[in-house]
Amino acid sequence: EIVMTQSPATLSVSPGERATLSCRASQSVGSNLAWYLQRPGQAPRLLIYGASTRATGIPARFSGSGSGTEFTLTISSLQSEDFAVYYCHQYNNWPLWTFGQGTKVEVK
Amino acid sequence: EVQLVESGGGLVQPGGSLRLSCAASGFPFSNYGMNWVRQAPGKGPQWLSYISSGSSATHYADSVKGRFTISRDNARSALFLQMNSLRAEDTAVYYCARASPNGYDYWGQGTLVTVSS
Repeated sequence: EIVMTQSPATLSVSPGERATLSCRASQSVGSNLAWYLQRPGQAPRLLIYGASTRATGIPARFSGSGSGTEFTLTISSLQSEDFAVYYCHQYNNWPLWTFGQGTKVEVK
Repeated sequence: EVQLVESGGGLVQPGGSLRLSCAASGFPFSNYGMNWVRQAPGKGPQWLSYISSGSSATHYADSVKGRFTISRDNARSALFLQMNSLRAEDTAVYYCARASPNGYDYWGQGTLVTVSS
């Protein structure tokens, strides 16, 4: 099983500021890495796939980078609706796709 | 619009059974592999089971193998999960999720399963 490790667990950021989230895979997943946003009481929503491609309808302030084992999600200017939990997800090792434990982005 | 709507969750005693359903609409259901994914309180999502578009292939996570059974009815655009021998650690929100070449692109709203005496 590929273990996904996210850091930090909690990120305190002021509205309008930049947020940088990290994800590390225990072995290479190539570019088969996605990011999801989850608001309280809601299902995860796909933000980024292929490590850097925004899903349909996702604003340009969200960007992803990385390959292999190290990945980053950057939110350039946090809006109120962006304060949520973010998960990285590898889909390289089918069907045993795995998720990280999440990074909570909270208001500073 | 793609919609996935789960139902069938609830409170069940350890050792009991539940059958979850997922009603799909807005896309050609019979063309897609489908999954069940669960999320325990405060934890990241966990893949549980996959079924191919025509039901010829199924896969399970080790944690549920032999206890859970995935199935589908393409005529009704419905996905199912039969859960037997439930344990306290099975307590979670259960989601059906559509598989795409780029991860899980659509999720239902989830149904809560609580295993407790």
